Amino acid sequence: QSVLTQPPSLSGAPGQRVTISCTGGTSNIGGGYSVHWYQQLPGSAPKVLIYESTNRPSGVPDRFSGSKSDTSASLAITGLQAEDEADYYCQSYDSSLGAVVFGGGTKLTVL
Amino acid sequence: QVLLQESGPGRVKKSETLSLTCSVSGVSISRYYWSWIRQSPGKGLEWIGHRFNSGDTNYNTSLESRVTISLDTSRSQVYLDLRSVTAADTAVYYCASMNAGHVTHWGRGILVTVSS
Repeated sequence: QSVLTQPPSLSGAPGQRVTISCTGGTSNIGGGYSVHWYQQLPGSAPKVLIYESTNRPSGVPDRFSGSKSDTSASLAITGLQAEDEADYYCQSYDSSLGAVVFGGGTKLTVL
Repeated sequence: QVLLQESGPGRVKKSETLSLTCSVSGVSISRYYWSWIRQSPGKGLEWIGHRFNSGDTNYNTSLESRVTISLDTSRSQVYLDLRSVTAADTAVYYCASMNAGHVTHWGRGILVTVSS
């Protein structure tokens, strides 16, 4: 059971907007620790999509955005494209565990 | 361009030690925290631990009795030793650099299978 909870799967049609949630607790997201998001395409290593909750690395389209509130965070993808079909993971730090923690991952299917 | 390349045996026998090397290029190994992260087949990501050049080390509590992460700055290499492996340790192992709490660069990963 992951410390950070994500929906196992999500789907959307091309052009739609989807939101992936990441729910934690007071020892991680709610404790002020940043949330980071990664995209893992099939057969590839993950890559950072959003860091420090809201920042996009250069090269990541502005269709991807992150937000954080209280003990949860969200990754929003607008203008969904076929190439967005991938697994998405949130990540933070948990002070109770003294560890880097990942969400269980969300498999996004583009219909 | 920062490149991380994992290497090591693709198969390890049960109860033996899994040893991997990550060769780093394009960045000073002194600059980041260096992590190992694994992904069991069809599963999510699991952080194993990280180490900084100063010696600051932190491990996943579920693995810390069996794991050691070390650095060789002269060779720009990061090492992982995982002792007393079982089938549950079969996974793709990623080397990764971390800064400000997030992974900045990932290796391509190496699949290690524990066999009986």
